[in-house]
This record gives sequence, structure tokens and C-alpha cells, in this order.
Amino acid sequence: EVQLVESGGGLVQPGGSLRLSCAASGFTFSTYWMHWVRQVPGKGLEWVSRINPDGSATTYAGSVMGRFTFSRDNAKTTLYLQMSSLRAEDTAVYYCAREQQLRRGAFDLWGQGTMVFVSS
Amino acid sequence: DIQMTQSPSTLSASVGDRVTITCRASQSISDWLAWYQQKPGKAPKLLIYKASSLESGVPSRFSGSGSGTEFTLTISGLRPDDFATYYCQQYDRFGSFGQGTKVEIK
Repeated sequence: EVQLVESGGGLVQPGGSLRLSCAASGFTFSTYWMHWVRQVPGKGLEWVSRINPDGSATTYAGSVMGRFTFSRDNAKTTLYLQMSSLRAEDTAVYYCAREQQLRRGAFDLWGQGTMVFVSS
Repeated sequence: DIQMTQSPSTLSASVGDRVTITCRASQSISDWLAWYQQKPGKAPKLLIYKASSLESGVPSRFSGSGSGTEFTLTISGLRPDDFATYYCQQYDRFGSFGQGTKVEIK
């Protein structure tokens, strides 16, 4: 089955760290650009970061730059989002998403999301 | 950063209605525009990409149009399953989203 499954969310104190994972299956993972998108409960979607197929290039939203690190292990077909210096405003559901294999692509496959709650 | 603005924020409609949602980009994005549907507690689902291309498996009552800075999503003949929140997204430069339009039952 073609799917993305996130894990690793939970409660963390402000200033703390957390690592999210996204396990991919059912498609040729190593050929896709991948993304993280987050959503504060009840609010809109915010693009967080992207990574190229071989993991050599990443881009971040200004709100997380310098604090979050996006990586991938193509052998394990897994994405990782290392989050540090967490703030209350990072509280959100975090989704991983696959980009279509077009010259530029929309996000055609999403995981179910994992909740991150930053609070003391 | 490219800002995306959707209107309206909320739309009340009845089954069978034709509804239109508008999305404006703060600068030209050509046709690098997608529409997603999201239901409570679920991940977004891609409906339309490249402004007017229908994603596989999406009913033909959904259609998209526009280019440059103005785009529309039209649902022709609203069905009960269509009551949800809809987001536009530009992917000309990374992937910023509109704030969403909730389609609710009148």
C-alpha cells in the first residue's frame, strides 16, 4: 500500500527537542522530493520544509530555520524532522507529504499526522 | 514570501449548489496552484494541481481555473461529502497555503 506514516510526536517543554519520523512504503521513495507541513489545531496549513530525493538539499520556512533539520534515509525509506529550541508556537499537527514527480509538483500523498505539543 | 489569500473564509451552501472559492497570490505564480480538501481530523487531499488539472480519482464536479495571481475552485453540484475546508497552495516557490475556506451546510 502506498502510504506515509508519521511518528514521534508528543509533549515537550519549551526549549526542548523532538525528532519526528515519517515511514514511507509502496512507492520508489528515493526518487521523490518530500515535505513537512504543519497545522495548528483549528487553523490553516503551514509549509515547513522540503528535501530533495538524495537528501543533499533542504529548504526551510523562516519560522523554523536554524531550529529544525530535515533529513532522510533512503535505505530505510524514512524521513526525519529534528526539532530543537521548541517554542509554544511550534505546537501543531505535523504532516509529511510527497511531491508529485512533475517539473513542479503539488503534494499528492500525505501521512495521517503526528501531534507536537510544546508546553511547560 | 508569496502570500495566498482565499475568499470567502466561510461559505454556506446547500446540496446541489454550485460554489466558487477564490484564491489570490501576492505575485504571479503562473499556474503552479493546487487545491486541497480537508475534513476534521484528516490529512488534506489533493483535488486540483497546475491550476486546472484534476487529480486521479477526484470527481469531475470539481474544477479549477486561473493563472498568474487569480484562481478559482468550483464545485458543480455540491454533495454531502463535499462539506469540508478547502485550501489553495502555491508551489511556484516552496509551498505556501491560503487560510482556508470552510464550506458548511446552509
